[in-house]
Amino acid sequence: ILNVEQSPQSLHVQEGDSTNFTCSFPSSNFYALHWYRWETAKSPEALFVMTLNGDEKKKGRISATLNTKEGYSYLYIKGSQPEDSATYLCANRGQAGTALIFGKGTTLSVSS
Amino acid sequence: DTAVSQTPKYLVTQMGNDKSIKCEQNLGHDTMYWYKQDSKKFLKIMFSYNNKELIINETVPNRFSPKSPDKAHLNLHINSLELGDSAVYFCASSQDSRSGNEQFFGPGTRLTVL
Repeated sequence: ILNVEQSPQSLHVQEGDSTNFTCSFPSSNFYALHWYRWETAKSPEALFVMTLNGDEKKKGRISATLNTKEGYSYLYIKGSQPEDSATYLCANRGQAGTALIFGKGTTLSVSS
Repeated sequence: DTAVSQTPKYLVTQMGNDKSIKCEQNLGHDTMYWYKQDSKKFLKIMFSYNNKELIINETVPNRFSPKSPDKAHLNLHINSLELGDSAVYFCASSQDSRSGNEQFFGPGTRLTVL
């Protein structure tokens, strides 16, 4: 069983603040890393899928980086807005054709 | 149009009953999944089907039996329901089972066993 750890567990910021969270995974067992955004009462929505060491992806104010050698990924949100409030999940696939293993998520709350 | 749909959205039933949850995707994807969100809000994979064939089967009681009549549908049948089966069950799909494909999730089915 892979261990996907996310930190912090929860985070509260003010509107306009920039923030980042961490996802760590076993570097010896990596095939792809997924980030999902999960709003309350909705279903998880994919943000990024990264497979190569050094990958950087960006979608609007949200970006992510990947370091497969040391086993971590960062998710950054620039200028947080209240609508960014959600739980951000990362998931690791250790080998081709195997299941995604999800972390417990980082819950972000943005106050206006 | 809903990409991944599940029915019912809520299911309340007695211990010992047999129930089914249905999932349909209209994305033309080859791979579908069932996840269970446990009491600690953890999403855990249960099953995965690719083109109607079972490819992932995690350690799940054999009271749970997935059925895929075609690649657009993956239903979950649960026999002899137990209190511990109470959870939110999410269906998802992806283009195929390769690593670079994001998964699209359904709205979830909240199962409550009394």
